Amino acid sequence: DIRVTQSPSSVSASVGDSVTIACRASREIGQWLAWYQKKPGKAPNLLIYAASTLQSGVPVRFSGSGSGTDFTLTINNVQPEDFATYYCQQAHSFPVTFGQGTRLEIK
Amino acid sequence: QITLKESGLTVVKPTQTLTLTCTVSGFSLSASGEGVGWFRQPPGKALEWLAFIYWDDDKQYSPSLQNRLTITKDTSKNQVVLTMASMDPADTATYFCAHRRGVHLCFDYWGQGALVTVSS
Repeated sequence: DIRVTQSPSSVSASVGDSVTIACRASREIGQWLAWYQKKPGKAPNLLIYAASTLQSGVPVRFSGSGSGTDFTLTINNVQPEDFATYYCQQAHSFPVTFGQGTRLEIK
Repeated sequence: QITLKESGLTVVKPTQTLTLTCTVSGFSLSASGEGVGWFRQPPGKALEWLAFIYWDDDKQYSPSLQNRLTITKDTSKNQVVLTMASMDPADTATYFCAHRRGVHLCFDYWGQGALVTVSS
């Protein structure tokens, strides 16, 4: 199985800040990585796929980068609605695996 | 517009079998390239993938749970069914079904989720 590790586990930010979340895969996965936003009581929301492609309807303040084993999600100009938990998911092969999540909290 | 909705018993007893149904609309389960996955999230824990079924009926299971899981589809009813045997309180979670995004192994449309509690 491909293990996926996120860091940090939580991050604090103020509205208007920029935040970066890292994701590392246990072996090379090319650009087969996705990012999701998860709020309590809601379904996951796909933000980024293929490491850097913005899903339709997602604000441009979200961006993704990386390839191989190391990836990042950046949120520029954090907005109040962005406070949530973020997950990366390797999309290279089964079994599909997720990182443990990064909680974005209000500073 | 693609939608998915989970349904099934929300409280099951230990050792019982859970059956969840995902009713989909906006796409055909038999259309080439389509696929639906099942996931869960225990309270306070991370997302976990459980199973996946392709348009051609090929199936994939989480290795840690594959001896307990069965995924099937009924194209005429637009439904994907997940069964999980030998339920345990540790299986208490919100269960989601989701639509695969094109050829990518990621998921763009999700059901609202079904909270399943395992308790005697």
